[in-house]
Amino acid sequence: NAGVTQTPKFRVLKTGQSMTLLCAQDMNHEYMYWYRQDPGMGLRLIHYSVGEGTTAKGEVPDGYNVSRLKKQNFLLGLESAAPSQTSVYFCASRPGGAGANVLTFGAGSRLTVL
Amino acid sequence: RKEVEQDPGPFNVPEGATVAFNCTYSNSASQSFFWYRQDCRKEPKLLMSVYSSGNEDGRFTAQLNRASQYISLLIRDSKLSDSATYLCVVNIPGGYQKVTFGTGTKLQVIP
Repeated sequence: NAGVTQTPKFRVLKTGQSMTLLCAQDMNHEYMYWYRQDPGMGLRLIHYSVGEGTTAKGEVPDGYNVSRLKKQNFLLGLESAAPSQTSVYFCASRPGGAGANVLTFGAGSRLTVL
Repeated sequence: RKEVEQDPGPFNVPEGATVAFNCTYSNSASQSFFWYRQDCRKEPKLLMSVYSSGNEDGRFTAQLNRASQYISLLIRDSKLSDSATYLCVVNIPGGYQKVTFGTGTKLQVIP
């Protein structure tokens, strides 16, 4: 039971570099989310997807792009990393439907931008 | 006003104590409520859902007060292993069922 898997778990970037975080889920969930968590700020939604081929902006989308080409994968890209993007990134997924509200999270990806 | 507000704590309690956390939410259209637990440097995990009539799971009791727009979590007979951050989560129905997290309340159970 892999659940939600995030790669990489840790990464250090220099300002201006680009990278992609991968989220993979094996539960056939419709909805997938990318959050960032910073001290004192709680979890903030970056982007989300309600199904394969669809993505939408969350609360803090600037500086990030996403893609959901396959139902099981949700990619988060940083085109030009900035120190303000130093954070812990969590991917989450849940089934579709009004009653299926519980999120399953990945273990997190710790990103440091120097 | 934040959509979901929690006292950040920390709440430092001795083993065996009873401790309660509250969480207030601002959107009266909120429909689903949850408590998640997050251990240091780990992902959040569902602790329990919160039902209108209140619900209990072992030492944990969750309550919902729609009139005053808050939910609560009561932990009885605290264990050292209960030390964690407790996140209040509120779902608002809509296009993607907006999920809003509180910033969390930190609990430290002391021997």
